[in-house]
Amino acid sequence: AQSVTQLGSHVSVSEGALVLLRCNYSSSVPPYLFWYVQYPNQGLQLLLKYTSAATLVKGINGFEAEFKKSETSFHLTKPSAHMSDAAEYFCAVKYGGSQGNLIFGKGTKLSVKP
Amino acid sequence: EAQVTQNPRYLITVTGKKLTVTCSQNMNHEYMSWYRQDPGLGLRQIYYSMNVEVTDKGDVPEGYKVSRKEKRNFPLILESPSPNQTSLYFCASKAWGTGGGRETQYFGPGTRLLVL
Repeated sequence: AQSVTQLGSHVSVSEGALVLLRCNYSSSVPPYLFWYVQYPNQGLQLLLKYTSAATLVKGINGFEAEFKKSETSFHLTKPSAHMSDAAEYFCAVKYGGSQGNLIFGKGTKLSVKP
Repeated sequence: EAQVTQNPRYLITVTGKKLTVTCSQNMNHEYMSWYRQDPGLGLRQIYYSMNVEVTDKGDVPEGYKVSRKEKRNFPLILESPSPNQTSLYFCASKAWGTGGGRETQYFGPGTRLLVL
């Protein structure tokens, strides 16, 4: 079955440090890829998405992600963490064009230490 | 303001007492979906609907029903709730078919359900 894997259920960084959240998908056919963020007690908000245009995708709040077909990865990065980045982040993939549904990873909770 | 709304936001109920969680979107989206979120499991799809009167099961449909009589509304019905349905529920919507699958899905604020 097609799936998406997020390595690390919890990631902790210091304020100002690099943020790296990992996401790998399982398919020989590149899907559409999304990163969502969930702040405490809120719904999910789209950070960025890959839709087969540029492989480096820039999103909101300084986040970006790079699609690497050879590694079947779509890792999320931010050069300098801010306290307000503390949240849970979900990678999601969509296979099957218009007919497919979104498949979510299990999420990575990001903590930012002062 | 474009949004997906859910009601109620919090609900405590007892086993077997039927309940409905409403979901409404004002973006004229064809596609709507329900997810449940549980710690360590991420979001799992319960049911989805590609348009009015068209619904289909997701990954975890057991114990749930849905209906899509109007484009804007997609209620989630628990006919006989059980404690294992205690969870955080999200409704979502997106445009359908115009972007070949790359459309953004918009989420509601969530409904936290506790079944005693």
